[in-house]
Parts: sequence; C-alpha cells; structure tokens
Amino acid sequence: GAGVSQSPSNKVTEKGKDVELRCDPISGHTALYWYRQSLGQGLEFLIYFQGNSAPDKSGLPSDRFSAERTGGSVSTLTIQRTQQEDSAVYLCASTYDRFTGELFFGEGSRLTVL
Amino acid sequence: GESVGLHLPTLSVQEGDNSIINCAYSNSASDYFIWYKQESGKGPQFIIDIRSNMDKRQGQRVTVLLNKTVKHLSLQIAATQPGDSAVYFCAENRDGSGNTGKLIFGQGTTLQVKP
Repeated sequence: GAGVSQSPSNKVTEKGKDVELRCDPISGHTALYWYRQSLGQGLEFLIYFQGNSAPDKSGLPSDRFSAERTGGSVSTLTIQRTQQEDSAVYLCASTYDRFTGELFFGEGSRLTVL
Repeated sequence: GESVGLHLPTLSVQEGDNSIINCAYSNSASDYFIWYKQESGKGPQFIIDIRSNMDKRQGQRVTVLLNKTVKHLSLQIAATQPGDSAVYFCAENRDGSGNTGKLIFGQGTTLQVKP
C-alpha cells in the first residue's frame, strides 16, 4: 500500500526565501510528526499533530517555522526567511495513534539554503 | 546532560555473524525505547520496541535487551545479511503526556556487512 509521501524530495533555495514542504500521511493515520535530520546526525522532533490540532510544537526552532494540517490528512511545514542553518532533511512520519512509537516515515525533503 | 547515545559510530561485521549495536541513555524516567534502521536516502524504518517493564524482546532475527540498572540498550541481529547494512538509531520516549511518537534519537551507528 501507499506509504508516507513527501514533496519536494529536494529543494534548493536562497537565504531569505520562504519554503513549503508537504507531507501526505498514510490514510487513516491520525498522528503526524515532523522531524529534522541534519547531516550525519540523529533526528530532532519538531511538531506533532493529532488530527488537525498540534498539541506539541515544542521542537520548532524559531517563529520562522510553522506547520498546519488539514482534513486530518495533508500537512505543510513552512519555513519563512530561510537561513543556512535550516539546511537539513525534513522527515514526516505518521502513525495510527499517539500511543505508539512505531512511526512510518517518508523519504524526506532535503532542503539546501544557499 | 541528558542524552541518548551510541557507543560506536561504525560497526563492521562479516556476513552470517551476529551483530550487537549498543546504546546508552541517561534519563531514568524514560520508559519506552525503539530501534530504527535507516538506509541511505530513505526514511527511518521501525525495527523493534521495548517498554521499561521488560528486559528483553525478540523479533524476527532481532533481539532488544534493556538494562535499566546501567541505562543500557542493545540491538542484536542474528545471522547478519548484506541487506542489514544501514545506520541504526536508538530512540527513547520520555514524554509524560502519552505522546509516544515524540522520540529522542541517538546519533546512530553505521553497520557495515562484509560479504
């Protein structure tokens, strides 16, 4: 069946520009997560959605980062006024509820800020 | 400080041998641990999990051991195959709200399988 789909797979942008990253979770999964993975590093939690609500945004590194989820499905992560330190792979994951750590990850969106 | 970390950045094993990947954690409040496998260019893939009320759990060719006394977690892979070559991450959950998917990941160990 279809897994978690993320787009774009690669994005190169100039410093100061805004970017939007999209995530299509597995159908029926109510929980959705965004993580960030810097080069050669582990994953860093950004934000969690349950349905369309985001009860935990504690990992967003600054107010330049925002995310939304609509229809209990698609999520968009927006980074405004991108900086070079935002360069990373942004991974989206979904799962059936908030009581499991078995997350289903997409392949990620690689963001490069020049 | 608090951390979830791995003892070795790279582990090289011969095909057919058993592999053991280790992980240390420092927060005794953590009660749920997971191992993920990440192949190059892909997202992490769930392998196995264990809760703090257990000390061992087995899956297909994999076993996770948890030693709460010394805050140590290990992943054992039996009869390692070339397809096991990847980066392995341990992760822990210490979120009191029951948001079990909010994970703290270690830095990862690269497993290289020699034919």
